[in-house]
Amino acid sequence: QKEVEQNSGPLSVPEGAIASLNCTYSDRGSQSFFWYRQYSGKSPELIMSIYSNGDKEDGRFTAQLNKASQYVSLLIRDSQPSDSATYLCAVNGRTNAGKSTFGDGTTLTVKP
Amino acid sequence: GAGVSQSPRYKVTKRGQDVALRCDPISGHVSLYWYRQALGQGPEFLTYFNYEAQQDKSGLPNDRFSAERPEGSISTLTIQRTEQRDSAMYRCASSASQYEQYFGPGTRLTVT
Repeated sequence: QKEVEQNSGPLSVPEGAIASLNCTYSDRGSQSFFWYRQYSGKSPELIMSIYSNGDKEDGRFTAQLNKASQYVSLLIRDSQPSDSATYLCAVNGRTNAGKSTFGDGTTLTVKP
Repeated sequence: GAGVSQSPRYKVTKRGQDVALRCDPISGHVSLYWYRQALGQGPEFLTYFNYEAQQDKSGLPNDRFSAERPEGSISTLTIQRTEQRDSAMYRCASSASQYEQYFGPGTRLTVT
């Protein structure tokens, strides 16, 4: 079992729809959670961080964290074709707070 | 301000040669990370530094790989006696807080 798991996709949604991306992790003591967006051929770009249970909203993006169930999700409202990218989930553990473990990403395609 | 820079952007080397990859972090960022990313996968942790101290090198694949950050700023990842399996994208990231990371453009290493 990988430490951080994501559905590889591809996930396809129509323009204007809500895209829902999910991530599960194995280290119950994990403290910090991040979503990065990576366009094809580019570097990962941080879009959201979340540290406590519940929802965190930033514009069209909402990150949701449930530590009891060990999952974190990213919702993208009013999806745009420019949101088409691979979304990487990253988790920092408790014992080594500075080390991020990444999932392999979910590829999202938003169709006009 | 300037982001994370990496050099060279592309490196082609022959098997058995040593290579040095350079990372210049965002000014003032305490933490610096090295990752390796294969196509279709998330970044794989190699090592990270806080200031000049190497905090975790558990991800370095073997003793041919080493990294340093002698003055707490620029870092060098060195691969000795390169092998074809070392071919990958090597990414550097920096962070002000040991949490949110900002990635450089990467160095594409090809070992022939």
